[in-house]
Amino acid sequence: GDSVTQMEGPVTLSEEAFLTINCTYTATGYPSLFWYVQYPGEGLQLLLKATKADDKGSNKGFEATYRKETTSFHLEKGSVQVSDSAVYFCALFFNAGNMLTFGGGTRLMVKP
Amino acid sequence: NAGVTQTPKFQVLKTGQSMTLQCAQDMNHNSMYWYRQDPGMGLRLIYYSASEGTTDKGEVPNGYNVSRLNKREFSLRLESAAPSQTSVYFCASSDRQFEAFFGQGTRLTVV
Repeated sequence: GDSVTQMEGPVTLSEEAFLTINCTYTATGYPSLFWYVQYPGEGLQLLLKATKADDKGSNKGFEATYRKETTSFHLEKGSVQVSDSAVYFCALFFNAGNMLTFGGGTRLMVKP
Repeated sequence: NAGVTQTPKFQVLKTGQSMTLQCAQDMNHNSMYWYRQDPGMGLRLIYYSASEGTTDKGEVPNGYNVSRLNKREFSLRLESAAPSQTSVYFCASSDRQFEAFFGQGTRLTVV
């Protein structure tokens, strides 16, 4: 079945460092791909999405490109801030299954 | 904007007790979901409802039942709580673009 694999955390960075969180997926067909963010004590919020191959999703300085050839959707940010500390989830949605499938989450900690 | 509202926010149950987690959305979404979040396990789908009147099992449905009462409301019931059901539960709803909106979560402890 469909699945999502993320790099395990925690990821600890200094402020203004470059961030990459890897995400790969397994799915038949062409799912839509998402990154969600969860701040402490809160529910998940959509960060960005891409619905077809080669699409780039972007929001708040974060970017991810839908790579069909490598079945990947890696999250990047050029300069992280302390306020970016959160848990990040990669997810896919395959219309035929009508389910949003999540990866295990990656905790990011940014130190001043 | 209320979005997705879950109640209660916290609950402690004794093993064998029953309870219902309530969820309501005001965005006119057709699809609604219940997930549980456990440390190191990410989010796992318990049940979902693609439209009013339909429900389907997700990845971990055992020990749970759901009701899609109307388009707005989707409840999750634990008939006989077990310690393995200690978790944080999230309700979500989604639109045609598949973006999911999440509630704030219910932290459930079964002792």
